[in-house]
Amino acid sequence: DAGVIQSPRHEVTEMGQEVTLRCKPISGHNSLFWYRQTMMRGLELLIYFNNNVPIDDSGMPEDRFSAKMPNASFSTLKIQPSEPRDSAVYFCASSPRDTETQYFGPGTRLLVL
Amino acid sequence: RKEVEQDPGPFNVPEGATVAFNCTYSNSASQSFFWYRQDCRKEPKLLMSVYSSGNEDGRFTAQLNRASQYISLLIRDSKLSDSATYLCVVNPGTGRRALTFGSGTRLQVQP
Repeated sequence: DAGVIQSPRHEVTEMGQEVTLRCKPISGHNSLFWYRQTMMRGLELLIYFNNNVPIDDSGMPEDRFSAKMPNASFSTLKIQPSEPRDSAVYFCASSPRDTETQYFGPGTRLLVL
Repeated sequence: RKEVEQDPGPFNVPEGATVAFNCTYSNSASQSFFWYRQDCRKEPKLLMSVYSSGNEDGRFTAQLNRASQYISLLIRDSKLSDSATYLCVVNPGTGRRALTFGSGTRLQVQP
């Protein structure tokens, strides 16, 4: 079975550009999570969805960040405009209905110059 | 105070050694506890859940102490392949599915 799929795997962009990260959760999972990981702050939850509905976005840093989940098989995390401090690894994870176990994608390594 | 605190390490141990990690959590209402493993430049993966009665999976033993609000992970007979960062993870008990991750403890097993 395919795991969580994220794209792109690597992204290098310049400050001020728009960045869109994509995630396809494991089929049948009803919860989806976006995390950001840095050396300084560790793994931080940005937002999570349950049945495609955003439940908790308190971790979203500021208005420059937005996330959508238009259907059960696709989610995006957008940063506009991007800043150097947004450089991090962004993970998407999904979880099935009957367990708290989260299955992580391989991550997107973002570098904003 | 962080919700989940771990010693960042690194713990450098020889092959065959026994090593233990502790983790403390601040929210006494926390309901579920886990250890995840993260290899260098890879995604976190579930290692084991932590139950109130303690649980064992091969060389790995996890224990929970609710009174003192700490969780432990014991690794016996360390292998080179155990080298990784171990993340302590807590469901803070808010009724939601979000988990809180500790910053991780790095283990380096040496030949």
